[in-house]
Amino acid sequence: DIKMTQSPSSMYASLGERVTITCKASQDINSYLSWFQQKPGKSPKTLIYRANRLVDGVPSRFSGSGSGQDYSLTISSLEYEDMGIYYCLQYDEFPLTFGAGTKLELK
Amino acid sequence: DVKLVESGGGLVKPGGSLKLSCAASGFTFSSYTMSWVRQTPEKRLEWVATISSGGSYTYYPDSVKGRFTISRDNAKNTLYLQMSSLKSEDTAMYYCTRGGTRDAMDYWGQGTSVTVSS
Repeated sequence: DIKMTQSPSSMYASLGERVTITCKASQDINSYLSWFQQKPGKSPKTLIYRANRLVDGVPSRFSGSGSGQDYSLTISSLEYEDMGIYYCLQYDEFPLTFGAGTKLELK
Repeated sequence: DVKLVESGGGLVKPGGSLKLSCAASGFTFSSYTMSWVRQTPEKRLEWVATISSGGSYTYYPDSVKGRFTISRDNAKNTLYLQMSSLKSEDTAMYYCTRGGTRDAMDYWGQGTSVTVSS
């Protein structure tokens, strides 16, 4: 199984700050990597797919990058509505596996 | 608009069974791979099952293989998850998602809660 190591597990950041979350796969996943945002009491929302493709309607301050085993999600200028938990997912092969999540809180 | 609405969750005893449903609308259901994903009380996300667009191919992790069955009725635009021999570790919120391997999971339902407890 492909293990997804996501970091950090939690972080505090200030409004306007640039934030980066990373996911490292235990093997090459060919950019089949998605990022999701989840707010309390809500279902996950897809932000990025195929490592760097923004889902329609997602603000442009979100971006994804990476290849091979290493991927990152960047929020260019943090806004209050961005607080929540972020997860990565590899969907290159079964079993599909998620990162453990990054809890993003306001400093 | 794409809409996925899950139902069928509830409280069930260990060893029991439950069938979840997901009603899809706003897209051509029969053209998409569909999946179930669960979120544990500890907030961990786990992939549960995937079915191909026509229903011919199904995939499961070892943790549920032989106990869970994913199926679909393309005429009714509905996805199902039959769960049997339930264990306490199956307690989770279950989400229906559009997509699976090589097809991004782009839409999620609101979830249906399953609690396995005596």
